[in-house]
Amino acid sequence: GAVVSQHPSWVICKSGTSVKIECRSLDFQATTMFWYRQFPKQSLMLMATSNEGSKATYEQGVEKDKFLINHASLTLSTLTVTSAHPEDSSFYICSATQHRAMNTEAFFGQGTRLTVV
Amino acid sequence: GDSVTQMEGPVTLSEEAFLTINCTYTATGYPSLFWYVQYPGEGLQLLLKATKADDKGSNKGFEATYRKETTSFHLEKGSVQVSDSAVYFCALSDTGRRALTFGSGTRLQVQP
Repeated sequence: GAVVSQHPSWVICKSGTSVKIECRSLDFQATTMFWYRQFPKQSLMLMATSNEGSKATYEQGVEKDKFLINHASLTLSTLTVTSAHPEDSSFYICSATQHRAMNTEAFFGQGTRLTVV
Repeated sequence: GDSVTQMEGPVTLSEEAFLTINCTYTATGYPSLFWYVQYPGEGLQLLLKATKADDKGSNKGFEATYRKETTSFHLEKGSVQVSDSAVYFCALSDTGRRALTFGSGTRLQVQP
């Protein structure tokens, strides 16, 4: 199947700093990418949907100014956690789909564990 | 809104034991249902899926049947192997929405 690479796999940062997480589709063009967040022992929760060349659509309760999403090319989306705080510590995972058609399989990255100290 | 509930883990089994991981869902439309697996250090991989009621998804010896009457999609395998040790996520994609709603995940540990 298609490969989605997410980087870094883990990061520790100081409170107040910003962290950028990259999500790349390695062997296909991803018109849509999704960003999820998972707290310990909880579900993966959708944060936002990004379509190449347009603004991301954020889920209710997700601060768009805090979680900046850029999808400037068909193979790369980035999530920047700005002014990170300890409560932002979580597991972030992206997925990508190849087409705009419905029910197309989503391919997932390995996830990024963010720890804010 | 949509939700997925799956049994809490960890589930610990001996090799060749029978596996069931329960999953139930609520959805407003006509969802597609999925099981994803995450091996240590890797991303989520699609294990199997079913797109309509009574469909059975199967892959690598795993099976799950879309039961609309009980809103369930339980994962089963007749004989697990050590290599099946992973975290399993049940998920749904509701009508007109390609993003997934996930369950909390169930960790399976298979002992030799």
